[in-house]
Amino acid sequence: NAGVTQTPKFQVLKTGQSMTLQCAQDMNHEYMSWYRQDPGMGLRLIHYSVGAGITDQGEVPNGYNVSRSTTEDFPLRLLSAAPSQTSVYFCASSVGQGRNTIYFGEGSWLTVV
Amino acid sequence: TQLLEQSPQFLSIQEGENLTVYCNSSSVFSSLQWYRQEPGEGPVLLVTVVTGGEVKKLKRLTFQFGDARKDSSLHITAAQPGDTGLYLCAAVTQGGSEKLVFGKGTKLTVNP
Repeated sequence: NAGVTQTPKFQVLKTGQSMTLQCAQDMNHEYMSWYRQDPGMGLRLIHYSVGAGITDQGEVPNGYNVSRSTTEDFPLRLLSAAPSQTSVYFCASSVGQGRNTIYFGEGSWLTVV
Repeated sequence: TQLLEQSPQFLSIQEGENLTVYCNSSSVFSSLQWYRQEPGEGPVLLVTVVTGGEVKKLKRLTFQFGDARKDSSLHITAAQPGDTGLYLCAAVTQGGSEKLVFGKGTKLTVNP
């Protein structure tokens, strides 16, 4: 029962470096999303996708890119890391938007120094 | 402006006590969900409520959706240390793109 798998679990980056957080789901879900979680801020939506080839911006998209070439994968790219991007990142998937159950990955802890 | 206001932000109680956490908004929602998140893990769905006035029970947890579908509460009876975690409410606004928005969460600690 893999569900939603995120890698890496932990990463330290230097300011200005780029990297990709990987996310894969094996539930054939159409809807996938990326959130960041910061102390006292709750979960904030970065980008989401309603299906392969379709992506859209969430609440806090600046500094991040996504693509959805397959149903299974939804990588999140940090173009030029900044200390403000230090956070815990969660990938999630669901059958659809709205009231459907969202399944979250275990999180990726990113520190930008 | 926070669409969903959760209170209290922190709650520390003794095992066996009862507690209620709240999720409030000025907006009307088509549905509302409660998630529980343990340290080092992603949130896990507890319940979805969709009808105004709806009450759902999950063992010692009771969830209520307000009549006007603007607020919700989570009541835990006889709390146990295993209930410790971050409780998040999330809601879908009526109309629009049906995106899910999350509250900031209530961090519950149940001491043995």
